[in-house]
Parts: sequence; structure tokens; C-alpha cells
Amino acid sequence: NAGVTQTPKFQVLKTGQSMTLQCAQDMNHEYMSWYRQDPGMGLRLIHYSVGAGITDQGEVPNGYNVSRSTTEDFPLRLLSAAPSQTSVYFCASSYSTAGFSYNSPLHFGNGTRLTVT
Amino acid sequence: TQLLEQSPQFLSIQEGENLTVYCNSSSVFSSLQWYRQEPGEGPVLLVTVVTGGEVKKLKRLTFQFGDARKDSSLHITAAQPGDTGLYLCAGATGGGADGLTFGKGTHLIIQP
Repeated sequence: NAGVTQTPKFQVLKTGQSMTLQCAQDMNHEYMSWYRQDPGMGLRLIHYSVGAGITDQGEVPNGYNVSRSTTEDFPLRLLSAAPSQTSVYFCASSYSTAGFSYNSPLHFGNGTRLTVT
Repeated sequence: TQLLEQSPQFLSIQEGENLTVYCNSSSVFSSLQWYRQEPGEGPVLLVTVVTGGEVKKLKRLTFQFGDARKDSSLHITAAQPGDTGLYLCAGATGGGADGLTFGKGTHLIIQP
């Protein structure tokens, strides 16, 4: 059972480059989300989706785009990378269509460590 | 914006000792979750507490939700090296679709 799979595990970009972080889940979860984790800042929500074709912004959406064309995949696009986007990015999913709930916790992938120089 | 303050930020103790990690906020949460994260991996859910005053036990770990649902604690009895990791608390304010509010975490090291 793969769960939430994120690729790549590591990435180095130069300022201004673009890239897509991939996230796929095989649990038929409706809810998917992207967080970034920075030292001293904790986990912060970037974007989330409550189902295919539906996306919404989280706490720190600037500089990132998302789309949800299938239930399984939720890619995160960096349009023009900046050093401030150096971080560890986590994708998380949940069965509940209202997001996570008491009986439907968040399942996290193992992260993508991104460095922008 | 709801804030969750975790304390201590760092804790290094000897195997066999007891410890408590705190998670405090001025906001009321509908539920609060505790996660454990190991290096190179994503957070893994340990427990969810929902009712004010609720106490849950997971082997040597005891979780408590404050009566007013603004704070929580994690107590570990007879800590073991396998308990080493980053412990995160996270609060939900409603349906949860717009995400959890995470604390900054407590880095716990249990020395053999």
C-alpha cells in the first residue's frame, strides 16, 4: 500500500526556474493539500483541494499554482522559483470531503526538499 | 490567525525519565491532533482529541485536551530512545477543509 507518494525527494533550482512537485495517492481520498515546513515556522498550508476540479488557497499561496484533474494527483507548480521558497514540501490527503475529521486523519507523504539558489 | 505555542522547543533527556510537552493557544479548537515526525519522513498521526478534558493513552504516551479546548499536553512515561523525534500538535477550528494550525514542534531526544 503506497499511500501518499511525492517526487522528487530532493531538488535544487536556480532563481527564476519553474518546476512541478508531484503528489499521488492511491487511497481514493477526496481531500488533498500541500504544506511547507520551515525551521522555526512549523507547517503552513499552501493550497488544498476537496475533490477533482476544486482547489483553494491556504495560508501561503503566493508563488504556487495547483490543479486537480484527477482524484489521485495533486501537483504543485512553482512558476518562478525564489530563494524564499527553499523549504521542505509535504503533500497530505484525507478521505473526508470536508477535509480531515476525527475519523479521517491526514496522511502525509515523505516530502520534497527544495533548495533555490 | 490561530496560533499554537509548543513548549519546550528542544528537550534532551535520559532513557527512563518522564517528560511533558505542552501545546497552548488563546483560540478554541474543535479538535486537536498530535503527530510524530522522524527525519526524512512526513508527520504521522498519534492521536486526535475532541472533547474538553479528554484523556487518551497510547502505551506510554498520555494525551490530554484542556477543559476549554485551548490547550493540550503530551506526557511520556519512562522514555525510550525510540521516542526520539519531532512532536507536533495541530488544531482544527471547524470542518477542517482550510487546514490545521500546526505548532512549531518539540524536538525530543532520548539518550540511552
